[in-house]
Amino acid sequence: DADVTQTPRNRITKTGKRIMLECSQTKGHDRMYWYRQDPGLGLQLIYYSFDVKDINKGEISDGYSVSRQAQAKFSLSLESAIPNQTALYFCATSDSPDRGKGEQFFGPGTRLTVL
Amino acid sequence: GESVGLHLPTLSVQEGDNSIINCAYSNSASDYFIWYKQESGKGPQFIIDIRSNMDKRQGQRVTVLLNKTVKHLSLQIAATQPGDSAVYFCAEERGATNKLIFGTGTLLAVQP
Repeated sequence: DADVTQTPRNRITKTGKRIMLECSQTKGHDRMYWYRQDPGLGLQLIYYSFDVKDINKGEISDGYSVSRQAQAKFSLSLESAIPNQTALYFCATSDSPDRGKGEQFFGPGTRLTVL
Repeated sequence: GESVGLHLPTLSVQEGDNSIINCAYSNSASDYFIWYKQESGKGPQFIIDIRSNMDKRQGQRVTVLLNKTVKHLSLQIAATQPGDSAVYFCAEERGATNKLIFGTGTLLAVQP
């Protein structure tokens, strides 16, 4: 079974719709992340959470919000989707620096298309 | 601004040859580096990492070299196989933040 799962895997939606992408992990990690990947580019950090009560903005948080419902769950929302949010979205987890190396483990990704 | 970048966007090699993928970073305060492999339709997968107190680390068929003097990182893959075809990303961490800055990636294409 995958350690980091994302739902849905693919989503097509229309401009203005609210979308939620979900991420779950069974690795027992405190830290979770949401990234966006555009074609031919690297990953850009949207939001990250170091524990359930901690939420931080990344490089490109505008137009997105997150919720850390539990240690194992971290969801990303697009309140009003726009076409330039069409991208691949990845969730990742990592252990705390005092317990791990900093390596991040990635989910399989969600392909989002906004028409 | 500060960034991690790659010299070659695409690398084509013959099966069985060795591959070298390069990465330049700009922040001398970065102390932890990771190479990820991303196959089509999948999330990035950890390959190997190295801390700034080392200049070389070896794994199975892979070696990472770190040259802090010129802020350069490389990934060497020995006896490249078709299954190695993927996009390879380097990433750097600045201090114990667990925030990774990713490069734009190199596409490795292995020719049979």
